Amino acid sequence: GAGVSQSPRYKVAKRGQDVALRCDPISGHVSLFWYQQALGQGPEFLTYFQNEAQLDKSGLPSDRFFAERPEGSVSTLKIQRTQQEDSAVYLCASLNSGGGAGYNEQFFGPGTRLTVL
Amino acid sequence: TQLLEQSPQFLSIQEGENLTVYCNSSSVFSSLQWYRQEPGEGPVLLVTVVTGGEVKKLKRLTFQFGDARKDSSLHITAAQPGDTGLYLCVFWAGSYQLTFGKGTKLSVIP
Repeated sequence: GAGVSQSPRYKVAKRGQDVALRCDPISGHVSLFWYQQALGQGPEFLTYFQNEAQLDKSGLPSDRFFAERPEGSVSTLKIQRTQQEDSAVYLCASLNSGGGAGYNEQFFGPGTRLTVL
Repeated sequence: TQLLEQSPQFLSIQEGENLTVYCNSSSVFSSLQWYRQEPGEGPVLLVTVVTGGEVKKLKRLTFQFGDARKDSSLHITAAQPGDTGLYLCVFWAGSYQLTFGKGTKLSVIP
């Protein structure tokens, strides 16, 4: 596709359920980022992949959050035992270079809105 | 810890008016970007700057960056309803992470 896609667009989970959020980056893009955006806030960094390597996961809020990109393309963000505070929009972005994130344009997907009841 | 503040948080104006929004950092940036986010969509890049004192123009949008590379402003001339959105200032210090401000939510009323 022409842009970054994410699925599902909306997810409602009961507290305690596990969820998996998918990101399809632009083909050939080396870098992939996950962000969490709470209502009325800017995106907050969660984790960064360069190809299949997860080079920075310092933004993951707890060990319930896990991300992978096994073949260096599609990525999945998994949240185990969801809590109400996990409710947010989860954004994925890709970048065609392996560095210099602040010099280049990140292409964002539309996000997955997660609501935990 | 790097702090990034944007002001105002909310702004509602009539079509045709001018406006300025601000971004201030507690640290010097390697680069600073402005993104715009519309409801239900991801942010879209407007501009990137790396040099202090730089001024960049994008149609009716003028971006100014402080000499000390710690602040920036965005001025919109003759705002249009299509300018409505969340304007995000993004700080990069050279690591893998980008730091987003909380944004200024702009509403332009026809």
